[in-house]
Amino acid sequence: AQSVTQLDSQVPVFEEAPVELRCNYSSSVSVYLFWYVQYPNQGLQLLLKYLSGSTLVESINGFEAEFNKSQTSFHLRKPSVHISDTAEYFCAVSRVGGSNYKLTFGKGTLLTVNP
Amino acid sequence: NAGVTQTPKFQVLKTGQSMTLQCAQDMNHNSMYWYRQDPGMGLRLIYYSASEGTTDKGEVPNGYNVSRLNKREFSLRLESAAPSQTSVYFCASLLTRVTDTQYFGPGTRLTVL
Repeated sequence: AQSVTQLDSQVPVFEEAPVELRCNYSSSVSVYLFWYVQYPNQGLQLLLKYLSGSTLVESINGFEAEFNKSQTSFHLRKPSVHISDTAEYFCAVSRVGGSNYKLTFGKGTLLTVNP
Repeated sequence: NAGVTQTPKFQVLKTGQSMTLQCAQDMNHNSMYWYRQDPGMGLRLIYYSASEGTTDKGEVPNGYNVSRLNKREFSLRLESAAPSQTSVYFCASLLTRVTDTQYFGPGTRLTVL
């Protein structure tokens, strides 16, 4: 079984400041890694994912995450945040292979960007 | 192309009442999922359907039943609602493992009094 730990439940930052949302996972098998974002009163949307290849993955709105296998981490970063980035962010994993596909989510990190 | 749709958006039930949450997707996806979201708990998988005609339990299936009516539709039923089932329910779908991206509906906010 897999598990995901998001180390911070809330992260308040000021606009234009850098931010890092931390995610660690535990798994006895290889995994795929995801970050989903949930804006207020909406469903979840995929932000970025790591399946294979380059360990640094980027989203279209300036976020990036790096897969670190030795530290079992997949931290999400942005060098300069905007008010519109205020949302809850969920890290998730799924096992590589197998007949069924399930995501295991972390408990979420609420990012609040203040002016 | 509406993606994943859920009905109703809001519902209030009394303890012991039953109801069915509806989910439909128009993306020709094979797999569908039901999650519940509670504050500080993230999303927890209730049931999923890897393909039409199959359903399997997730992490928190007790008190729920599901039906994969056809490839498009996946419903979640609460036979006898309890206050502990007050939550926001999300349906999601997935094409195949090739894409590995789940698409989520807007959610149903359920309150059980």
